[in-house]
Amino acid sequence: DQQVKQNSPSLSVQEGRISILNCDYTNSMFDYFLWYKKYPAEGPTFLISISSIKDKNEDGRFTVFLNKSAKHLSLHIVPSQPGDSAVYFCAARRDDKIIFGKGTRLHILP
Amino acid sequence: ETGVTQTPRHLVMGMTNKKSLKCEQHLGHNAMYWYKQSAKKPLELMFVYNFKEQTENNSVPSRFSPECPNSSHLFLHLHTLQPEDSALYLCASSQDFGTGGNEQFFGPGTRLTVL
Repeated sequence: DQQVKQNSPSLSVQEGRISILNCDYTNSMFDYFLWYKKYPAEGPTFLISISSIKDKNEDGRFTVFLNKSAKHLSLHIVPSQPGDSAVYFCAARRDDKIIFGKGTRLHILP
Repeated sequence: ETGVTQTPRHLVMGMTNKKSLKCEQHLGHNAMYWYKQSAKKPLELMFVYNFKEQTENNSVPSRFSPECPNSSHLFLHLHTLQPEDSALYLCASSQDFGTGGNEQFFGPGTRLTVL
C-alpha cells in the first residue's frame, strides 16, 4: 500500500510558466515533507521541505504548499526554466523513516 | 572529492558472484543509508546506520549485507543475488538520523545488473 502517491508520471510545462507538481499521502502521522529533484545518472538532490505545522514554505522560485486536511502537498516552480526538467520525488517522514513517491517527470518546453 | 560518492557506477554480476558496493561521504554526516530504486517503483529504504550502528533493516534479504566501518564509509556486500535484484542502488547521508527535516544527500548510485 503506497503511503506517498504522485499520480502524474509526467508533466509538460512551457518555459516561463508555472509548474505545479502534486503529491498525496495517506498517513496523518507524517511530520515532515520533502521534495527531491533527480537528473539522469545522478542521485536525487534535496530541493525544499515543509514541516507539518506549516502550510507554506518558499525558497526562491520554489514554493511548497501543504494541505493537511486533504493530505495533499504541491510544489510550485515559477517561472519554470529549462534546467528544471528532471524527475521530482515527493517524500514524507514518519518515525524517522522517509518514504518516497514514485516521482513525476517534468519537461520544460521551449 | 565532495558530497557523496559511490563506486562502481555500473556493475554486472552473475548469480553466483560476490561483489561489494562502496559509498563514501565527505560531508561530516553521522547517518548513512542504502536505498534501492527499481523501475517504476518508489525508492525503497534498505538500511540505516546512525553513528556506525545499524538502526534500520527493512526486511532486506540476507543476500544483501551492509557494513559501516566508520561514519564516512558504507558498504553493501552482495552474494548469490537474483535477476530481480537488478536496480539502481543509492547511498545517502544526513547530518543526523531523525532530527529536523532529515535532508539527505544522495550519491549518484550504482546501476546493478544481475544475469
